[in-house]
Amino acid sequence: SSELTQDPAVSVALGQTVRITCQGDSLRSYDANWYQQKPGQAPVLVIYGKDKWPSGIPDRFSGSTSGNTASLTITGAQAEDEADYYCNSREDLFGGGTKVTVL
Amino acid sequence: EVQLVESGGTLVQPGGSLTLSCAASGFTFSAFPIHWVRQASGKGLEWVGRIRGKPNNYATDYAASVKGRFTVSRDDSKNTAHLQMSSLKTEDTAVYYCTRHNLEYDTSGYYRFFDYWGQGTLVTVSS
Repeated sequence: SSELTQDPAVSVALGQTVRITCQGDSLRSYDANWYQQKPGQAPVLVIYGKDKWPSGIPDRFSGSTSGNTASLTITGAQAEDEADYYCNSREDLFGGGTKVTVL
Repeated sequence: EVQLVESGGTLVQPGGSLTLSCAASGFTFSAFPIHWVRQASGKGLEWVGRIRGKPNNYATDYAASVKGRFTVSRDDSKNTAHLQMSSLKTEDTAVYYCTRHNLEYDTSGYYRFFDYWGQGTLVTVSS
């Protein structure tokens, strides 16, 4: 399959940990990148190369991959982390997005 | 500071044409592939197409949904990329983003990712 599958929505209590997953065969060949998108804004890169941080991204965001599944973990979620999160592997492939709600 | 600024989005009738522009600043524009990604209201990100740089002969590629109707081009002398859209359909209605595709290397391998995005420009296809 050339698709990337994400759960549509997850919720997390303030200060707790949440993991978002992304599944697809392309993840066996390409590292996952993760983007955060808040309403009315452009996407922002939060993790690239499976587990690397762009400058300015807090280290409560972390990434990992096992087999055909990539994960983005937010450890100690903050109110400002409420957003949609998209995974991406090949340049032409995005997951459907996961809406993260911080309770 | 790296900036990408899209322009040209507007209301257009089905079957019409439109050209979007992406003006870049703050980096060596000619060194990077530029991609277009769109997002319909309330939907996810959809890759549209891309153009590579001169070392790769300005190679282009497109999503199946737009192939034959959309054309990506670039003018490195003006630090600008364009997305020409023709035979527009109502399902092309979306915010269109241009984004820079970056490549990094380390001892573990190489990594490709979209590191900067424009703010987006809205294209509405409707009669």
